[in-house]
Amino acid sequence: ETGVTQTPRHLVMGMTNKKSLKCEQHLGHNAMYWYKQSAKKPLELMFVYNFKEQTENNSVPSRFSPECPNSSHLFLHLHTLQPEDSALYLCASSQGQAANYGYTFGSGTRLTVV
Amino acid sequence: AQSVAQPEDQVNVAEGNPLTVKCTYSVSGNPYLFWYVQYPNRGLQFLLKYITGDNLVKGSYGFEAEFNKSQTSFHLKKPSALVSDSALYFCAVRDGNNRLAFGKGNQVVVIP
Repeated sequence: ETGVTQTPRHLVMGMTNKKSLKCEQHLGHNAMYWYKQSAKKPLELMFVYNFKEQTENNSVPSRFSPECPNSSHLFLHLHTLQPEDSALYLCASSQGQAANYGYTFGSGTRLTVV
Repeated sequence: AQSVAQPEDQVNVAEGNPLTVKCTYSVSGNPYLFWYVQYPNRGLQFLLKYITGDNLVKGSYGFEAEFNKSQTSFHLKKPSALVSDSALYFCAVRDGNNRLAFGKGNQVVVIP
């Protein structure tokens, strides 16, 4: 295990459902990230949190709502999703916000919207 | 904008043969470059990085990468591929917001 845990591993939801993805890290990192991974496309950075404060939102639709109650936990709340939102959602953390620290990733949540 | 390109979707190599996964970058200033690997049903794992110093960087699992400024490349290499090296490989660069910007990934298939 990498020290970054994501739950659930798999999620199937209807377009009218509300669900949440959870990410937890016990590495003492200060920054946490949500990425979307779709086949044959670059990883898309969605949100960045540093010391619980959101520092970046890359034009993500409002049907995705992040929450970071503390530096160890990160949530992604989902509602009224579209089929094109089906993807692998990856959480990552890093010691600081600077890229040279590198990121530690969780195993992801495979989301299918039906 | 800072970016990386991974021109091949898939790389096939026979077990025991040298493995090369290509990456070119586009940055202003000095590049910070990274390679990550993703095994099936797993998240990305760090392999190696280039920040400064020696152009040949050694990383995990016998991988190395060569930073070539004139060709703006950072190709990942392994002298002798193993079947267990079959995975998705991502090149990444520090972007203008000091985040990691990833390429689309290369699927490596090592044939026994």
